Amino acid sequence: EIVLTQSPGTLSLSPGERASLSCRASQSVSGNYFAWYQQKPGQAPRLLIYGVSRRATGIPDRFSGSGSGTDFTLTISRLEPEDFAVYYCQQSGTSQWTFGQGTKVEIK
Amino acid sequence: EVQLVESGGGLVKPGGSLRLSCAASGFTFSSYTLNWVRQAPGKGLEWVSSITSTSSYIYYADSLKGRFTISRDNAKSSLFLQMNSLRVEDTAVYYCARQGVYLAHAFDIWGQGTMVTVSS
Repeated sequence: EIVLTQSPGTLSLSPGERASLSCRASQSVSGNYFAWYQQKPGQAPRLLIYGVSRRATGIPDRFSGSGSGTDFTLTISRLEPEDFAVYYCQQSGTSQWTFGQGTKVEIK
Repeated sequence: EVQLVESGGGLVKPGGSLRLSCAASGFTFSSYTLNWVRQAPGKGLEWVSSITSTSSYIYYADSLKGRFTISRDNAKSSLFLQMNSLRVEDTAVYYCARQGVYLAHAFDIWGQGTMVTVSS
């Protein structure tokens, strides 16, 4: 099983600032099968990024994904009030899909 | 509207069983791989199981140790999760999620979730 470790656990930022979230895999993720999700309290997760760097339908271009192998990053260029939430990375390169433990982006 | 709606959650005693359902609408259900993902209270997401469009391939999280069974009925656009020998640690919101086509296995549509509480 590939273990995903997200850092930091919590990111305290102000609206308008840039957010950089990291996700490190315990072994290389194959086939670019890597995604990021956003979850707000009481809601289901929402797909933001798939295939490492491709934005899902309707996702604003302030969200971007990058990385390869074992190191991946989600960047939010300028935080909007609606972006304060928990973010999860996910890999599905094997028959065992796994998620990271999440990074909470909170208002400073 | 593309939609997934879970049902069947509730309170069950340790060692008991529960069957969750997920009703799909707004898309061709039989063309998609479907998944169950759970989230314990205040915790992160945990993938549970996956079933391909024709049920040819089925996968489970290693941690489940054969207690859960995923299935689907394409004629009724429904996904199921049979959960046996339930434990307190199975308490969670259970989501069904569609695996998008050409989305590198990502989950593009999620239901609102159904709560399962295992307690004596």
